[in-house]
Amino acid sequence: ETGVTQTPRHLVMGMTNKKSLKCEQHLGHNAMYWYKQSAKKPLELMFVYNFKEQTENNSVPSRFSPECPNSSHLFLHLHTLQPEDSALYLCASSRELNTEAFFGQGTRLTVV
Amino acid sequence: ELKVEQNPLFLSMQEGKNYTIYCNYSTTSDRLYWYRQDPGKSLESLFVLLSNGAVKQEGRLMASLDTKARLSTLHITAAVHDLSATYFCAVDSLRTSGSRLTFGEGTQLTVNP
Repeated sequence: ETGVTQTPRHLVMGMTNKKSLKCEQHLGHNAMYWYKQSAKKPLELMFVYNFKEQTENNSVPSRFSPECPNSSHLFLHLHTLQPEDSALYLCASSRELNTEAFFGQGTRLTVV
Repeated sequence: ELKVEQNPLFLSMQEGKNYTIYCNYSTTSDRLYWYRQDPGKSLESLFVLLSNGAVKQEGRLMASLDTKARLSTLHITAAVHDLSATYFCAVDSLRTSGSRLTFGEGTQLTVNP
């Protein structure tokens, strides 16, 4: 248990669906991250938020839309996804931008 | 662009043996992290290495960092089955816009009885 909680743990969605992934941390961290982990590929950083402000968008397609209403919560809104978007989506947080990151359990997403 | 390479990507070893996993990175960095991931689970932080020559040990695992060679090693001593997992190194490249953690591909370790 790292203190970073993601819901849901598993999600199956059609290509025309709209869904959201949720991440919550009560560690008092100021930075939060979304990563994508696909089979046989390194973890890919998607988005970085620092004090609720987005500081990085790693050329992520617009069908992924992040939202950070406060330093404790991070969402990833999904719409019109493709099958190749199926992956494990990991949320992480850190006290500051350049300090150790703690990861949530991940959401296993399958797009059908 | 920062690149992080791990070697080997797959490692099968017997219990009781020693082995080293290598992590090379391409640009200057003073922060390197090692994580462990069990199948279907999240990443668990193992070590944070913050300076050249840093060495940290936890149980049968020891990590070191050589920033001049841009190399970190994760040494496994007298492996046991419970160490079977995928191990990732990650390098922090500080830029003007903030931190960016770049991960290696991971080393899938299997320890056989």
